[in-house]
Amino acid sequence: AQSVTQLGSHVSVSEGALVLLRCNYSSSVPPYLFWYVQYPNQGLQLLLKYTTGATLVKGINGFEAEFKKSETSFHLTKPSAHMSDAAEYFCAVSVRNRDDKIIFGKGTRLHILP
Amino acid sequence: SAVISQKPSRDICQRGTSLTIQCQVDSQVTMMFWYRQQPGQSLTLIATANQGSEATYESGFVIDKFPISRPNLTFSTLTVSNMSPEDSSIYLCSGIPGLAANEQFFGPGTRLTVL
Repeated sequence: AQSVTQLGSHVSVSEGALVLLRCNYSSSVPPYLFWYVQYPNQGLQLLLKYTTGATLVKGINGFEAEFKKSETSFHLTKPSAHMSDAAEYFCAVSVRNRDDKIIFGKGTRLHILP
Repeated sequence: SAVISQKPSRDICQRGTSLTIQCQVDSQVTMMFWYRQQPGQSLTLIATANQGSEATYESGFVIDKFPISRPNLTFSTLTVSNMSPEDSSIYLCSGIPGLAANEQFFGPGTRLTVL
């Protein structure tokens, strides 16, 4: 079975500082990996996804994530935090060609300090 | 991509009543799902809405409590039946366009409060 672990339910960074949100997954077969963002009182928006190919994936709003198979990780980074990045971030995993279900992590709330 | 809308966006309901939430997609999607997001929590999959047949429910969710319809490839409904305060949550639908490598597009959610 697949699972996702997000380290840290809350992360605070200063505006302009590096953002690092950690995600580790468990999957017995090559996974698809996703990061979603949820702004207050809104639905989920896809930030980026890894399917195959290049392990460094670039997404919207300056975010990127690197798939590291040896570490079973898919950490999300952004070089310089902006106040508008304050939101809830969810890492998710699904299995290729297997009923398309996505398993979500518990989420990390990102706080940006002025 | 797909744009998904939900109705209603929020509602306050009395215990023991039922609410039907509608999910409309602007294009045909192969898969549709319904999730629950309880306050401060992550998303929990309720069921996969199958077009033209009964939904596939996850462990802990049953059809009598959460009946789902999906009459075509762009529309689905979720009913929350015989509601209790524990059903207070955000309910989200999602869809996967056929060629989007499992990428799910989400609706804005329906915020339900049960008194």
